[in-house]
Amino acid sequence: QVQLQESGPGLVKPSQTLSLTCTVSGGSITSGGYYWTWIRQHPGKGLEWIGYIYYTGITYYNPSLESRVTISVDTSENQFSLKLYSVTAADTALYFCARYDSSGYYYLFDSWGQGTLVTVSS
Amino acid sequence: QSVLTQPPSVSGAPGQRVSLSCAGTSSNIGAGFDTHWYQHVPGEAPKLLIFGSNNRPSGVPDRFSGSKSGTSASLAITGLQAEDEADYYCQSYDSSLSVWVFGGGTKLTVL
Repeated sequence: QVQLQESGPGLVKPSQTLSLTCTVSGGSITSGGYYWTWIRQHPGKGLEWIGYIYYTGITYYNPSLESRVTISVDTSENQFSLKLYSVTAADTALYFCARYDSSGYYYLFDSWGQGTLVTVSS
Repeated sequence: QSVLTQPPSVSGAPGQRVSLSCAGTSSNIGAGFDTHWYQHVPGEAPKLLIFGSNNRPSGVPDRFSGSKSGTSASLAITGLQAEDEADYYCQSYDSSLSVWVFGGGTKLTVL
């Protein structure tokens, strides 16, 4: 059973860059058919899909965030990372990493991390 | 404002049946994109509960079932148990926005 764990600073200043890493254990990030994803939840709100990366480096981002987001992968460490630039208080959220499984008939988010809270404040 | 609309809260007594709704549009659920449900106990990792409208991953009790009709989906939980207390999210894909979309979540309280 693959497990995911988010890590990174819990507090980021406005206009700076939010950086988070997701460590994957129990499976290889280079396994075919899986897209490594970031999702966030604003306080008291629903979930928002941020973007994903395939182990080859192919990325796809939410158009609403595309200009400020970069997702990268480190296959040697079995990790993938999120960078969100020029953050504001509106980026305060619980950030989840998840695995998007496209290897079967149904495409779905089958494994998630516990989430890490990032607060944007001076 | 989430693309998929869910009631903020629902409650029921142990042993009862509850139904959670998820309203979409013709560009997501109504377009035929798969709908999935996730259970999230705060502080824990969200868990896939129902996939493809009405399929359960192994380990999910058959007390949980899903359905889909037109632009909406529903999750039914029978024989409510205290451990079912959690937030429930529906999820699909939206072809107009070209993103994966979620509902705002429904908080289930077991009385």
